Amino acid sequence: EIVLTQSPGTLSLSPGERATLSCRASQSVNSGYLAWYQQKPGQAPRLLMYGASSRATGIPDRFSGSGSGTDFTLTISRLEPEDFAVYYCQQYGTSFGGGTKVEIK
Amino acid sequence: EVQLVQSGAEVKKPGESLKISCRGSGYSFTSFWIGWVRQMPGKGLEWMGIIHPSDSDTRYSPSFQGQVTISADKSISTAYLQWNSLQASDSAMYYCARSLGTSSSALDYWGQGTLVTVSS
Repeated sequence: EIVLTQSPGTLSLSPGERATLSCRASQSVNSGYLAWYQQKPGQAPRLLMYGASSRATGIPDRFSGSGSGTDFTLTISRLEPEDFAVYYCQQYGTSFGGGTKVEIK
Repeated sequence: EVQLVQSGAEVKKPGESLKISCRGSGYSFTSFWIGWVRQMPGKGLEWMGIIHPSDSDTRYSPSFQGQVTISADKSISTAYLQWNSLQASDSAMYYCARSLGTSSSALDYWGQGTLVTVSS
């Protein structure tokens, strides 16, 4: 089973700053079969990115995804107040990473 | 509008059985896989398994195989997650979610979650 390791565990940033979240897989992830989700307290997760770099419906273009093989990145170009949340990566149909919390500095 | 509506919170005792539900609407229920995800208190997401409602083809995570049963009733557009004998360690939030494509795909719509509490 592929293990996904997210880093950092917590990212402390201010609104307007750029956030870079990492997801590293223990083995190569086929054909970019990687998704990113956002979860706010008390809410269900929401799909942000699929296929490593495609934005889900309704996701603003300040969110972008990149990577292939074992290294993937989610970038939020300029943090808005509503972006402070926990972010998870997932290899399709299997394990999630441990999450990165983006908190207000 | 695509919606997945889950059954309400449950409080059970160890050893009891439980079946929670997830009803889909606003799309062709039999055309998309439905997955289940566990989130223990204060912890991350864990993929449990997935079912295709058209023929009940089911895949389980090795971690949950034999611990739970996933089923579906396509006549009422509902998927289920079932335990025969609950343990305190089953206390968690459980989410159902629709798979974007195949059984191995991103989860694009999520239910609101069902909180299961197991306590003596």
